[in-house]
Amino acid sequence: GAVVSQHPSWVICKSGTSVKIECRSLDFQATTMFWYRQFPKQSLMLMATSNEGSKATYEQGVEKDKFLINHASLTLSTLTVTSAHPEDSSFYICSFRAFINSPLHFGNGTRLTVT
Amino acid sequence: GENVEQHPSTLSVQEGDSAVIKCTYSDSASNYFPWYKQELGKRPQLIIDIRSNVGEKKDQRIAVTLNKTAKHFSLHITETQPEDSAVYFCAASMRTTDSWGKLQFGAGTQVVVTP
Repeated sequence: GAVVSQHPSWVICKSGTSVKIECRSLDFQATTMFWYRQFPKQSLMLMATSNEGSKATYEQGVEKDKFLINHASLTLSTLTVTSAHPEDSSFYICSFRAFINSPLHFGNGTRLTVT
Repeated sequence: GENVEQHPSTLSVQEGDSAVIKCTYSDSASNYFPWYKQELGKRPQLIIDIRSNVGEKKDQRIAVTLNKTAKHFSLHITETQPEDSAVYFCAASMRTTDSWGKLQFGAGTQVVVTP
């Protein structure tokens, strides 16, 4: 099956700093990607959707200036949490779809803790 | 937009018994319904999916049924084993040639299989 590599797997940062999370598709070209956030014991909430080479589309309530998404190539997408605060502490998971009718494959997720 | 409701939130079964999780969706245009299994601290993994042109799909001990008229679908796990213990998420999306096919997830069901 499709392999998605996400780094780092966990990160602890101080309030006010920025954190970059990388997601790579290792064996396919991903034209569409999704970033999800999951708080403890809750469901996955879609943050944004992006196509390669285009600006991301953010879900209602997600600040685009705070969560910067770059999908510059067919194999790499990044999420930068800018000026992180403790309430941003969560599990962030990227996901790719190889083509329009293929299943969604998730990265291993990044556990972000903001102190 | 799509709204997916999932029940029950927790499910405890004896090893060997069957487990059933039910989901309803609101958008009649949704035509793709995957189920994901997530173990603690890990990424969601696709276990089975069904499209709206099919009423039932089975893969060994796992089966999914879909009732388009009633807009609900269910996951059935037979002969449960301790390793089936996890959180299970249903999801729905509309998949067309020009749609990104965003997944809307249910709230999740914590399944505990006791020996």
